[in-house]
Amino acid sequence: EIVMTQSPATLSVSPGERATLSCRASQSVSSNLAWYQQKPGQAPRLLIYGASTRATGIPARFSGSGSGTEFTLTISSLQSEDFAVYYCQQYNNWPLGITFGQGTRLEIK
Amino acid sequence: EVQLVESGGGLVQPGRSLRLSCAASGFTFDDYAMHWVRQAPGKGLEWVSGISWNSGSIGYADSVKGRFTISRDNAKNSLYLQMNSLRAEDTALYYCAGGSYWAYWGQGTLVTVSS
Repeated sequence: EIVMTQSPATLSVSPGERATLSCRASQSVSSNLAWYQQKPGQAPRLLIYGASTRATGIPARFSGSGSGTEFTLTISSLQSEDFAVYYCQQYNNWPLGITFGQGTRLEIK
Repeated sequence: EVQLVESGGGLVQPGRSLRLSCAASGFTFDDYAMHWVRQAPGKGLEWVSGISWNSGSIGYADSVKGRFTISRDNAKNSLYLQMNSLRAEDTALYYCAGGSYWAYWGQGTLVTVSS
């Protein structure tokens, strides 16, 4: 099983500042990596797929980078609605297995 | 408007069975693989199972392999998850997800396994 490790577990950032979230895979997943945002009581929302492609309707302040085993989600200027939990997901191993990271909670500083 | 609506959750005793359904609308269901993802209370996301557009490829998480069976009926735009031999650790909100790069998610159906 490919293990996805996200860091940090919790990130405290002030509105208007930049947030950088990391995700590491235990083996290469090429660019088969997605990022999701989840707010309390809501289903996850796709932000990024293919490691760096923004999903439909996602603001340009969200960007993804990386390939292989190291990935980053950057939110360039945090808005109040961005405070949530973020998950990375690898789908390189489908159908043998798909795995999520444990999540990073982005909170207001 | 895209909709994925899960149903079939509830309270069930350990060892019993439950069948979840997901009704899809607003997109071409049979173009895409579909998946079940669960989230235990206060925990993260866990992929449970997935099925390709034509049911030719199916995968399961190790935690459910041999107990859960995924299926789909493209004529009915529906996805299913048959869950047997349920355990307390299967207690979670079960989401149906799919579409292009998993863009579509339902709101989930809650499964509680308890005596």
